[in-house]
Amino acid sequence: KAGVTQTPRYLIKTRGQQVTLSCSPISGHRSVSWYQQTPGQGLQFLFEYFSETQRNKGNFPGRFSGRQFSNSRSEMNVSTLELGDSALYLCASSLVSSIAEQFFGPGTRLTVL
Amino acid sequence: GEDVEQSLFLSVREGDSSVINCTYTDSSSTYLYWYKQEPGAGLQLLTYIFSNMDMKQDQRLTVLLNKKDKHLSLRIADTQTGDSAIYFCAAYNTDKLIFGTGTRLQVFP
Repeated sequence: KAGVTQTPRYLIKTRGQQVTLSCSPISGHRSVSWYQQTPGQGLQFLFEYFSETQRNKGNFPGRFSGRQFSNSRSEMNVSTLELGDSALYLCASSLVSSIAEQFFGPGTRLTVL
Repeated sequence: GEDVEQSLFLSVREGDSSVINCTYTDSSSTYLYWYKQEPGAGLQLLTYIFSNMDMKQDQRLTVLLNKKDKHLSLRIADTQTGDSAIYFCAAYNTDKLIFGTGTRLQVFP
């Protein structure tokens, strides 16, 4: 069974640009959650999607958005990038709910210059 | 909201036991988790415990939960060099996972 895949693995952008990250969950998993990991703030929850609907949201500005497609694949978008958005973005999938075992992808390392 | 805290570093000799500690603030957290992160990789779920349990054992891993003190610990028996990683404690609260800062475990021969 293939694991959670995230593309791209590495990304370099400049301030003011926007970026889209992609996550493909494990086959059959319907819940996808996104996290931001930085040395200063640690791991912080961004949002969770289930059946194409955002089910839960963390405390991030509106520049951070996401969506989920009918095949459960998810994308997150960050607009008007800031230097502080440089982070490892992790995606996790689970069968039904984030309370269940979450399987994490390897992450996308975003660097904003 | 929930706040989860861990010590930053732990260094142990190979073959010894490691104990990684975690405290949380919100007693309504229902599930508590331990994740492992190796360099360049995502997080791997090691084990979890439901809040009405005191202890859970899984091979070399033992989780102890003191709900009164809101204290969670992970004991790794016979620690190996392959156990060197960052260990995260997480609490499930208000429909999301709240992670601790992570404890970097270094195992030396």
